[in-house]
Amino acid sequence: SYELTQPPSVSVSPGQTARITCSGDALPKQYAYWYQQKPGQAPVLVIYKDTERPSGIPERFSGSSSGTTVTLTISGVQAEDEADYYCQSEDSSGTWVFGGGTKLTVL
Amino acid sequence: QVQLVQSGAEVKKPESSVKVSCKASGGTFSSHAIRWVRQAPGQGLEWMGTIIPILGIGNFAQKFQGRLTITADKFTSTAYMELSSLRSEDTAVYYCASDGYCSGGSCYSIDAFDIWGQGTKVTVSS
Repeated sequence: SYELTQPPSVSVSPGQTARITCSGDALPKQYAYWYQQKPGQAPVLVIYKDTERPSGIPERFSGSSSGTTVTLTISGVQAEDEADYYCQSEDSSGTWVFGGGTKLTVL
Repeated sequence: QVQLVQSGAEVKKPESSVKVSCKASGGTFSSHAIRWVRQAPGQGLEWMGTIIPILGIGNFAQKFQGRLTITADKFTSTAYMELSSLRSEDTAVYYCASDGYCSGGSCYSIDAFDIWGQGTKVTVSS
């Protein structure tokens, strides 16, 4: 079955740039979505259709795509950005697939 | 803005069933889809299934074959997820999510699932 692979953890200092990758064979053909999840809270969509940012999401969040890898970039990381981040895509039948999640630690 | 309001926490015995509701408060689902996602303690997100309430059709993850029923009442804009033959591994927080809504004569959608319920904790324990 289709899989998405993320690094388990990423650590950055405040003000630095965090990059979280997500790899999957179908990503060149299917959009990717990114969700932020803080402890005890529901996921929040931060990037959709590879590069689009929903209203209300800070401009420091951006997405990019290259081949079988998509990347979530957080520029000027703030302490409040510490969270788990999940990429998500879907296969041709509409089945959703999530990556395993990446824990972002702000040092 | 429309919110998705889910039913309260449940504690269930193994082999029983649970039914979780998800209601669009302040609007309607209209032609938009509802997806169900769950998260076991300390684990990642797992998609369970999808329904388009206005059509009453959807699909679900193969691993839940025979145990999962997803329905919706388009008149009350409420979606339901029922999971049967519960086991301890089904202990999780269950979320519903929508890709849009209609309210006050206008509709909203960015064609992405940016509207999530608050989650319903289901505990399966003998």
